[in-house]
Amino acid sequence: SQTIHQWPATLVQPVGSPLSLECTVEGTSNPNLYWYRQAAGRGLQLLFYSVGIGQISSEVPQNLSASRPQDRQFILSSKKLLLSDSGFYLCAWSPLLNSPLHFGNGTRLTVT
Amino acid sequence: AQSVTQLDSQVPVFEEAPVELRCNYSSSVSVYLFWYVQYPNQGLQLLLKYLSGSTLVESINGFEAEFNKSQTSFHLRKPSVHISDTAEYFCAVSDVRGGSYIPTFGRGTSLIVHP
Repeated sequence: SQTIHQWPATLVQPVGSPLSLECTVEGTSNPNLYWYRQAAGRGLQLLFYSVGIGQISSEVPQNLSASRPQDRQFILSSKKLLLSDSGFYLCAWSPLLNSPLHFGNGTRLTVT
Repeated sequence: AQSVTQLDSQVPVFEEAPVELRCNYSSSVSVYLFWYVQYPNQGLQLLLKYLSGSTLVESINGFEAEFNKSQTSFHLRKPSVHISDTAEYFCAVSDVRGGSYIPTFGRGTSLIVHP
């Protein structure tokens, strides 16, 4: 069966520090991969999605970037965190067509 | 681009009472509709989905949702809620973009079940 792993679960980082959140999927190949950010009362905001290795689509211009170095690995990064980057970050995957998303357990990021 | 509206940010209800969580979306030629549930500090889990066929879809834990194309709605209902149903519920709509399906989520509705 397929599983998705996302880490770390919580993270506290100072303003201006770098960020790296990792997400891996097991048990499937060539998944669609997604990064969402969830802020209180604002629902889920799609940040990036990828349909294949090296293919990244950015939905919202911001302080973050994403990479997909391997088929089942999706990384969210920042060179310098801002206070506004605080939130709950969710990684998800789906098969290619007509399928719902499968989410990881999320990373609670607090930028201080 | 799709937009999804969940009008109620919070719905308080007593245990064993019925509940309806509302979801409306902007029109599109082809849509797929989903409801997800999120328990505290966890990711989202699929509750039910509409892809095609019968407009009434059901989940294994008693929730149901009905696709209404003319009203562009996909409201979630349960005839009798339990304390354990307390959670955040998200409606999502998929549209075709770039060869894959990119879901758009509503802002969520917090269902609070009181004893």
